[in-house]
Amino acid sequence: AQKITQTQPGMFVQEKEAVTLDCTYDTSDPSYGLFWYKQPSSGEMIFLIYQGSYDQQNATEGRYSLNFQKARKSANLVISASQLGDSAMYFCAMRGEQAGTALIFGKGTTLSVSS
Amino acid sequence: NAGVTQTPKFQVLKTGQSMTLQCAQDMNHEYMSWYRQDPGMGLRLIHYSVGAGITDQGEVPNGYNVSRSTTEDFPLRLLSAAPSQTSVYFCASSPFGAKDTEAFFGQGTRLTVV
Repeated sequence: AQKITQTQPGMFVQEKEAVTLDCTYDTSDPSYGLFWYKQPSSGEMIFLIYQGSYDQQNATEGRYSLNFQKARKSANLVISASQLGDSAMYFCAMRGEQAGTALIFGKGTTLSVSS
Repeated sequence: NAGVTQTPKFQVLKTGQSMTLQCAQDMNHEYMSWYRQDPGMGLRLIHYSVGAGITDQGEVPNGYNVSRSTTEDFPLRLLSAAPSQTSVYFCASSPFGAKDTEAFFGQGTRLTVV
């Protein structure tokens, strides 16, 4: 079975600072995908970044990067130069190799950015 | 581009009532799923479908039924609503078998059972 663990219920950061949101996972699949989603207070789910288990380089998308450490089974999201608009809930998720497997989510981390 | 459309956005039900949450996608995705989101619990999978005529249970299927008669639609039925089903429900779709493709989400349905 697959499992995603996010151990930080809440994180606080000042504007323009970097912040790391932790995510660890467990799976027996040799190949899998890891995702991060953002959920602002308006409620929609916004896809941020993807990392494949066989990708050699850490994924980056603008101010978002994924610190992927396969041996430690961690996929931490790094947000550089935080902005007030980054205040939201962030979810880590994974999908296994087998076709048709579900996207499994962690419990989320609430990020609060202050000025 | 509509993407994934959920209706209604808000609903209040009385205990024991039934209702159907609608979900439609226009991206020709084979894979569709329903999640519920509760405070502190993240998104938990209720049911999913890998194509028309094929459905399966997720982590929390009790109290919910689904069917998939077309590629586009994946309704979620509550046969006898209970207060424990008060939650925010999300429908999502993605191309089948694509582990590297993100799921596309609807806007969510906030359901309150009184």
